[in-house]
Amino acid sequence: GENVEQHPSTLSVQEGDSAVIKCTYSDSASNYFPWYKQELGKGSQLIIDIRSNVGEKKDQRIAVTLNKTAKHFSLHITETQPEDSAVYFCAANQAGTALIFGKGTTLSVSS
Amino acid sequence: DTEVTQTPKHLVMGMTNKKSLKCEQHMGHRAMYWYKQKAKKPPELMFVYSYEKLSINESVPSRFSPECPNSSLLNLHLHALQPEDSALYLCASSPGGRGGFGYTFGSGTRLTVV
Repeated sequence: GENVEQHPSTLSVQEGDSAVIKCTYSDSASNYFPWYKQELGKGSQLIIDIRSNVGEKKDQRIAVTLNKTAKHFSLHITETQPEDSAVYFCAANQAGTALIFGKGTTLSVSS
Repeated sequence: DTEVTQTPKHLVMGMTNKKSLKCEQHMGHRAMYWYKQKAKKPPELMFVYSYEKLSINESVPSRFSPECPNSSLLNLHLHALQPEDSALYLCASSPGGRGGFGYTFGSGTRLTVV
């Protein structure tokens, strides 16, 4: 089955800096890679996703890159703000199968 | 309707109680899932229903019993739970099948076992 590794487990940045979170996956058949943001006491919110037929996707300050050969994908947040502070989870699956999550990254943005 | 609705949002139950969590979607999705999530941990897959049939049970204790009455509904029956079962229980759905991208999560039921 799929196994997703996520690094780092914690990340602290200054407001305005960029943050990068990396994930690797094991199943070469996986073709869907979402990222979720979870704020304290709340459920997970989908912030961006990418399919395996695309190498990069951007939405304002958030971007995701995918390297299928190396089986890794990354979340990039530019111009970080205090409200970006949260736990971020990457995930992977093959369409039609269960989504498997990385262990999460706690991002802290200090002003 | 593009939502997965979970009820109740909060539940406190004793270790001898029987309760049920409910999940509903009207997106025509044919795969539905239960996940358990502890604070600051990733969601852990519990059960997968595909076309109303249980396809995956991730070695979940029998005090958790899933049920899929029809393609729109998913229940999780709880009996004789332990305090360590306290967690956020998430339901999700996806289109199902090889072309079915995308997951939709409900907002969860926060369960406290006392």
